[in-house]
Amino acid sequence: GEDVEQSLFLSVREGDSSVINCTYTDSSSTYLYWYKQEPGAGLQLLTYIFSNMDMKQDQRLTVLLNKKDKHLSLRIADTQTGDSAIYFCAEGGTSGTYKYIFGTGTRLKVLA
Amino acid sequence: NAGVMQNPRHLVRRRGQEARLRCSPMKGHSHVYWYRQLPEEGLKFMVYLQKENIIDESGMPKERFSAEFPKEGPSILRIQQVVRGDSAAYFCASSPARSGNTIYFGEGSWLTVV
Repeated sequence: GEDVEQSLFLSVREGDSSVINCTYTDSSSTYLYWYKQEPGAGLQLLTYIFSNMDMKQDQRLTVLLNKKDKHLSLRIADTQTGDSAIYFCAEGGTSGTYKYIFGTGTRLKVLA
Repeated sequence: NAGVMQNPRHLVRRRGQEARLRCSPMKGHSHVYWYRQLPEEGLKFMVYLQKENIIDESGMPKERFSAEFPKEGPSILRIQQVVRGDSAAYFCASSPARSGNTIYFGEGSWLTVV
């Protein structure tokens, strides 16, 4: 079945780069998304990448997609304490599907 | 341009009571989706509705849960006779159309069953 996997925890020092990884199983996914969730808050769409792209950059965020290995990563440059949150990878958009498949989330902790 | 609006943001219910969660989609959006996030987990799809129609309820628990999206007013997710295991964050999302469009999530409603 479809599955999205992420490592549970990541800890980095302020100013360093963070790389959050995700693997997925549905090779027909059209879009892959990264969401940020702060404690007790909703989901903030950070960025997304279309499946025919390899890379997308948006200010401090860089998304890399390796479609062959079904591997997605989110790099946050110059990580700040305000970046501490849970980051969810999600796949969706296959043939117009609304059934996004979410990973369990990676808890990023930024140490001052 | 308001986003997806959900209320209440936080709801506490005793076991056996009913919970009603409301969702108003973004302006111009006619498709609504409900997702549930159990503690320490990712979001899981529950149901997809258009006005007056349930399109896909494959993620809904078979009993006690129902959803509607009437012609007028918000979409409502209703949980009857709540149990502790229903404690979760319930997220609503909306989109203007189904095919290939990103869906936009609301801030969520946190249900606590005591």
